[in-house]
Amino acid sequence: NAGVIQTPRHKVTGKGQEATLWCEPISGHSAVFWYRQTIVQGLEFLTYFRNQAPIDDSGMPKERFSAQMPNQSHSTLKIQSTQPQDSAVYLCASSLVDSSYEQYFGPGTRLTVL
Amino acid sequence: GDSVTQTEGLVTLTEGLPVMLNCTYQTIYSNAFLFWYVHYLNESPWLLLRSSTDNKRTEHQGFHATLHKSSSSFHLQKSSAQLSDSALYYCALSDRGGGYKVVFGSGTRLLVSP
Repeated sequence: NAGVIQTPRHKVTGKGQEATLWCEPISGHSAVFWYRQTIVQGLEFLTYFRNQAPIDDSGMPKERFSAQMPNQSHSTLKIQSTQPQDSAVYLCASSLVDSSYEQYFGPGTRLTVL
Repeated sequence: GDSVTQTEGLVTLTEGLPVMLNCTYQTIYSNAFLFWYVHYLNESPWLLLRSSTDNKRTEHQGFHATLHKSSSSFHLQKSSAQLSDSALYYCALSDRGGGYKVVFGSGTRLLVSP
């Protein structure tokens, strides 16, 4: 079991460029979550999928952020026209869907927008 | 909506002293699940503790927490801090469990010194 895989681990973009972050959940986990981690805000929920269907995207900034899960083995978070305030560590987590199961986190992608 | 409050952003302790990290929450759901996740530097966050039934203590790796619905609290405690406990600790809430949306607090950084 390789755990949750996130690529790239580090990404540097210029202001206004697009950034795509990838997440491969643990095989068999049907819930996938995206979070943004900053020193100021802590761990902010962005969005999540269950059985590939988007369930709740209430944490997503509406205009430039989008997430997809085209198949059960990967999810992407896309940020268009990146801004310096988007700089953060983006964490993906996966979980079995059950009342007692924990979320397993990936190592994160550190996005730096210059 | 659901919310989690961690009042201390930073807790500094000398090794051997007791640890208490505060966590209070708000939710309309009577059967909410509370979690403590720990995030060590250069690692992924992982689940340290999950709540049990009201007023029941749960323990793991020397840490313990008791869910008190009457005060909406789930404070994390340890009798004697170790240097290796230095990390970022997140309290989190889910109204249905780990496979559903989880709301995280802002985190408490624990620094243990010799």
